[in-house]
Amino acid sequence: ELKVEQNPLFLSMQEGKNYTIYCNYSTTSDRLYWYRQDPGKSLESLFVLLSNGAVKQEGRLMASLDTKARLSTLHITAAVHDLSATYFCAVEEIQGAQKLVFGQGTRLTINP
Amino acid sequence: NAGVTQTPKFQVLKTGQSMTLQCAQDMNHEYMSWYRQDPGMGLRLIHYSVGAGITDQGEVPNGYNVSRSTTEDFPLRLLSAAPSQTSVYFCASSSGQGARTGELFFGEGSRLTVL
Repeated sequence: ELKVEQNPLFLSMQEGKNYTIYCNYSTTSDRLYWYRQDPGKSLESLFVLLSNGAVKQEGRLMASLDTKARLSTLHITAAVHDLSATYFCAVEEIQGAQKLVFGQGTRLTINP
Repeated sequence: NAGVTQTPKFQVLKTGQSMTLQCAQDMNHEYMSWYRQDPGMGLRLIHYSVGAGITDQGEVPNGYNVSRSTTEDFPLRLLSAAPSQTSVYFCASSSGQGARTGELFFGEGSRLTVL
């Protein structure tokens, strides 16, 4: 059974600082996805990582995937308040079958 | 561009009542799915469909039924509501094209309370 674990689950940080959210998963998979959710809102896709060593960047966010370590990271550079949200990673349980297993989510709060 | 549309957005039910959450997408996506979101547990897959006429169970299917008679619509039926089904429900779709099958487009969510 595929398990996906994120840490930390809660993160409060100051604007301008850097930090990393970790996503570990328990079985082999080459596909990992990051989503963002604002309070009371839906989820939106941030990054699609499809192979070992994949790195994607969008603004102050950078995601990477190490399939050998079964680990993905979401790195935040020089955080700004607008990045406050809950971030989820998700892994395909069966490749191509659209069965995603989500992590618990990391609630990120960025303070001025 | 409507994307994925869910109705209703809010619903209160009594234990034992039945209801249907509606989901429609206008992106001609083959893949559709239903997730529930509970505090501290991320999202859990209830049922999913890889095309019209094809459905399958996810992680937490008990108490829910689905059907997929058209590409556009994927309703979720609660047969006999229980307090444990109080949750926020998200419908999602994906094009399933190439390798990006897990890149989901989500509806706005339906918040269900069962008393």
